[in-house]
Amino acid sequence: DGGITQSPKYLFRKEGQNVTLSCEQNLNHDAMYWYRQDPGQGLRLIYYSQIVNDFQKGDIAEGYSVSREKKESFPLTVTSAQKNPTAFYLCASSIDRKPQHFGDGTRLSIL
Amino acid sequence: AQKVTQAQTEISVVEKEDVTLDCVYETRDTTYYLFWYKQPPSGELVFLIRRNSFDEQNEISGRYSWNFQKSTSSFNFTITASQVVDSAVYFCALSDLHGSSNTGKLIFGQGTTLQVKP
Repeated sequence: DGGITQSPKYLFRKEGQNVTLSCEQNLNHDAMYWYRQDPGQGLRLIYYSQIVNDFQKGDIAEGYSVSREKKESFPLTVTSAQKNPTAFYLCASSIDRKPQHFGDGTRLSIL
Repeated sequence: AQKVTQAQTEISVVEKEDVTLDCVYETRDTTYYLFWYKQPPSGELVFLIRRNSFDEQNEISGRYSWNFQKSTSSFNFTITASQVVDSAVYFCALSDLHGSSNTGKLIFGQGTTLQVKP
C-alpha cells in the first residue's frame, strides 16, 4: 500500500545536538511538507518542497533545515539553534493540488 | 493575511447527540480550498473533505455534513448521531490557489477537541 512513513516515532535530543527526522513516501507525489504541532495548537508549516532539489521556508523555518535529493524523501534536521524543539512533527505530501496525505508523525523531546 | 479560526477549543457530547464544529476563515484570495482533517489519538491526520471556493453546495457523507457559506466566511462541520469513535481533534484548513504561486500550503486552525462519551 502507498503511503508516508515517518521515523522514528519517538526521538530524544540532547542539548547542542542536531537530530534528523525521516520522511519517505511511495505515492509518487511531487510536493512534500513539514509541519510542527504544539499542544493545543494547529499545525504550522516549517518547510516545503514542490520538486526535487528545491525547497522553500515556511512560517517557522528558523532552527530547521531540509534536503530534497530524491522525490520520495524529505528529511528534516532540527538543529541546536532551535531552542524549543519539543513538539509533534508531521510530514505530508501531495500532487496536482489534491489533498495532502500525512504520515503518523514523530514526537521529539528534550533530554 | 490568511487565517483560520476554530473558536471551540473543546466540545464534549454524549453519544448519539449531534455536534457542530465551527470554522471561520480569512483570505483575500478569490479562489481557495477549504479542508477538514481528523486527528485521532494515534496522531496521524486523516483527510475528511475538500471544498472549492466556487462550490457553495452543502455536502453530506454518511453522518458527516458540511455547510460552506462564503457570505460569512464559514465552513462548519456537523456530525449527526455522534459515536465514541468520533472522539478526536478536528482541524479546519485553508489552501491558497493564488495563480502561479500556488504552493498547496495549508493554513490550519487551532483545532477542536471532540470528546464523545458513551
